[in-house]
Amino acid sequence: KNEVEQSPQNLTAQEGEFITINCSYSVGISALHWLQQHPGGGIVSLFMLSSGKKKHGRLIATINIQEKHSSLHITASHPRDSAVYICAVGVRGGSEKLVFGKGTKLTVNP
Amino acid sequence: NAGVTQTPKFRILKIGQSMTLQCTQDMNHNYMYWYRQDPGMGLKLIYYSVGAGITDKGEVPNGYNVSRSTTEDFPLRLELAAPSQTSVYFCASSYRGQGSEQYFGPGTRLTVT
Repeated sequence: KNEVEQSPQNLTAQEGEFITINCSYSVGISALHWLQQHPGGGIVSLFMLSSGKKKHGRLIATINIQEKHSSLHITASHPRDSAVYICAVGVRGGSEKLVFGKGTKLTVNP
Repeated sequence: NAGVTQTPKFRILKIGQSMTLQCTQDMNHNYMYWYRQDPGMGLKLIYYSVGAGITDKGEVPNGYNVSRSTTEDFPLRLELAAPSQTSVYFCASSYRGQGSEQYFGPGTRLTVT
């Protein structure tokens, strides 16, 4: 079993829909990261969080440490949100590296 | 700031050839990483460095070597290329390791035939 599991693997939505992508992990963590990989391949960091909730524009990330679960929400989705969203965790007490999920491919149709 | 730059963008190698993937960052980050991304799989860490002169193995180091002589540069060397090394390679850097945001380069798409 992977240490970081994401669901769903693929997600198709209509423009304007509310999107939720889930990430579950099985280890103690120091931080959780959400990344976005554009269709062209570039990867950018969206959020880093260790508790609670963060918001940036239409994106919201939440984390529940007790349940070892995080969600990434996109409100009022747009075709330009189409990308692969990747969850990664820094393992508490581990070395300075991240463990990555396999990603969720989101397609938003106009 | 250019951020993290990688060269080349694309490369085709024959089995047994060697090459160096270049990575440079201009953010004065101590931590640098090399990842590979295979189709349908998550990013896998090859090597990482916590500062000039200090490197350590990640999950999939076999067939690769690194060096870190300066804060800015972290080249990845492939010796005796094999088809299993066909992948997209990303370099990344961060200020404080896993507790800070990682900045990624644009990637190098490598094919070994």
